[in-house]
Amino acid sequence: QSALSQPASVSGSPGQSITISCTGTSSDVGAYNYVSWYQQHPGKAPKLIIHEVSNRPSGVPDRFSGSKSGNTASLTISGLQAEDEADYYCSSYTSSNAVLFGGGTNLAVL
Amino acid sequence: EVQLVESGGGLVQPGGSLRLSCEGSGFNSINFALSWVRQAPGKGLEWVSGISGGGVSTYYADSVKGRFTISRDNSKNTLYLQMNSLRAEDTAIYYCAKNQEITSRSYFYYGMDVWGQGTTVTVSS
Repeated sequence: QSALSQPASVSGSPGQSITISCTGTSSDVGAYNYVSWYQQHPGKAPKLIIHEVSNRPSGVPDRFSGSKSGNTASLTISGLQAEDEADYYCSSYTSSNAVLFGGGTNLAVL
Repeated sequence: EVQLVESGGGLVQPGGSLRLSCEGSGFNSINFALSWVRQAPGKGLEWVSGISGGGVSTYYADSVKGRFTISRDNSKNTLYLQMNSLRAEDTAIYYCAKNQEITSRSYFYYGMDVWGQGTTVTVSS
């Protein structure tokens, strides 16, 4: 099964907002609300920042928000900060009873 | 503090076997599904396998099905991944992760809210 599709890279300036898309199919993103987003800094383990499409775990700033429309989920980061520079991955439950990750998006804060 | 610590990684020849362990602390593991996720050098995350809290139900990515076996010993708060018939493409950092509990349920496809530091597996002759 192919990975969910994410842009390889996005960039933004401090204080700006950016959105990362995550496109799947009607067998994964489009079918279930079990979409999660993870942030990974270099050399570190991933960190859960969004679960069930739009829910933030405790401790995650409300600058991070998630949404979904059809087969595409989105992560929006508002008020960009230097520490947001990292790789971001989406994941989704699939009809094959598996979990599929996106290819990852590198966020540069210029 | 909830913590996961992996061990068992190393260098193995193609066709060989390796067993990874992941010891949890700070939580009652039987209440939570657990997962293995790997990351090849310079690549993205790949879900490998998941297991229910009681250990009865197991799930695998197609890329490892029939070669890897996930299991757990809740009396030891430990998760395992038995990897057989290893290939060069299995070379990666392997992370174990705890799946969230939402409304008293935990499934392998819920968000992974606690991760270990990872253990490196290198398959090479």
